[in-house]
Amino acid sequence: GENVEQHPSTLSVQEGDSAVIKCTYSDSASNYFPWYKQELGKGPQLIIDIRSNVGEKKDQRIAVTLNKTAKHFSLHITETQPEDSAVYFCAASMNSGGYQKVTFGTGTKLQVIP
Amino acid sequence: IAGITQAPTSQILAAGRRMTLRCTQDMRHNAMYWYRQDLGLGLRLIHYSNTAGTTGKGEVPDGYSVSRANTDDFPLTLASAVPSQTSVYFCATEIHNEQFFGPGTRLTVL
Repeated sequence: GENVEQHPSTLSVQEGDSAVIKCTYSDSASNYFPWYKQELGKGPQLIIDIRSNVGEKKDQRIAVTLNKTAKHFSLHITETQPEDSAVYFCAASMNSGGYQKVTFGTGTKLQVIP
Repeated sequence: IAGITQAPTSQILAAGRRMTLRCTQDMRHNAMYWYRQDLGLGLRLIHYSNTAGTTGKGEVPDGYSVSRANTDDFPLTLASAVPSQTSVYFCATEIHNEQFFGPGTRLTVL
């Protein structure tokens, strides 16, 4: 089955600096890669996603890159702000037996220091 | 109702008791999912439902059952709770690959 590894598990950056979170996946059948932000006491919320036919996607301060050959994808947050502090999860998704099988990474706790 | 609601917000339960976690959506999404979230393990799929009347097993289904009588509701039942089922449970809906998560239920089994 699919295996998603996520690094680092914790990340502290100064406000205004950039943050990068990296993930690898194992199954080449995965074709959709969402990133979720989870704030304390809340459910995960989709912040950006990328499909396997795209190499990079950007949305304001957030960007995601995908390297299908190497099977890795990354989240980049520029000009970090204290409200970016949260746990971030990457995921690899594929259609499996009629449902969308999503395999999540173990999360990165990002702390933005004012 | 706006989006996905889950009830209860939290619950402490004695081992051996039966418990149903409720999930209701108002987005009319066909696909719904139940995940458990444990520290260091991320989110793991328990059961899913592609549409009303159908359900399927996920990665960790043992000890759990679900039903999908209609589009909006997708309850998760623990027939006889055990301490290893202590976790945070999230219900989610999905449309066009994008999943939307509820606020979660924190369950403690003693």
